[in-house]
Amino acid sequence: KQEVTQIPAALSVPEGENLVLNCSFTDSAIYNLQWFRQDPGKGLTSLLLIQSSQREQTSGRLNASLDKSSGRSTLYIAASQPGDSATYLCAVRPWTGNQFYFGTGTSLTVIP
Amino acid sequence: NAGVTQTPKFQVLKTGQSMTLQCAQDMNHEYMSWYRQDPGMGLRLIHYSVGAGITDQGEVPNGYNVSRSTTEDFPLRLLSAAPSQTSVYFCASSRKDRGHGYTFGSGTRLTVV
Repeated sequence: KQEVTQIPAALSVPEGENLVLNCSFTDSAIYNLQWFRQDPGKGLTSLLLIQSSQREQTSGRLNASLDKSSGRSTLYIAASQPGDSATYLCAVRPWTGNQFYFGTGTSLTVIP
Repeated sequence: NAGVTQTPKFQVLKTGQSMTLQCAQDMNHEYMSWYRQDPGMGLRLIHYSVGAGITDQGEVPNGYNVSRSTTEDFPLRLLSAAPSQTSVYFCASSRKDRGHGYTFGSGTRLTVV
């Protein structure tokens, strides 16, 4: 069974700092990996989807990278803002089967 | 706006009661699924469907039933609610093409007392 780990569980940074969130997975046979944002009491909002054939995807201040061979993905947030405060989750879709496997998330707080 | 709609947003049940959580999507997605989210455990798959008339079990199916009579709707039924089913429930959908990602609903927060 695929295991997805996100470390640290919580992160607090001052506004304006660049930061990296980590996601690791145990089985490198993945089809794609998706990063989500979840605000308290809300649903999951998709941030970036990166296919197994890709090395990175960018959207605005966000950049996600994927290294399948090492079982790792990172989400880079540039010039962090208080509005970036949320929980960030990664999910991997295996090459076979229909289930996405989720990490437990990193809770990010950006201090003004 | 197109998306995944879940109702109700909040629900309190007594142990032993039954209820149905509704999920509807208007994106013509073939794949629909139900997850539950519990503190420290991440999201766990309950049931999923790859199209109308086709459903299958996920990781934690016990105590839940599903059906898929149309492409748009995928209701989740709790047969006899238990306190262990207190959780936040999310419905998600995706195109059958595996290259697509998930779209999530806003969730249903269920408390069983």
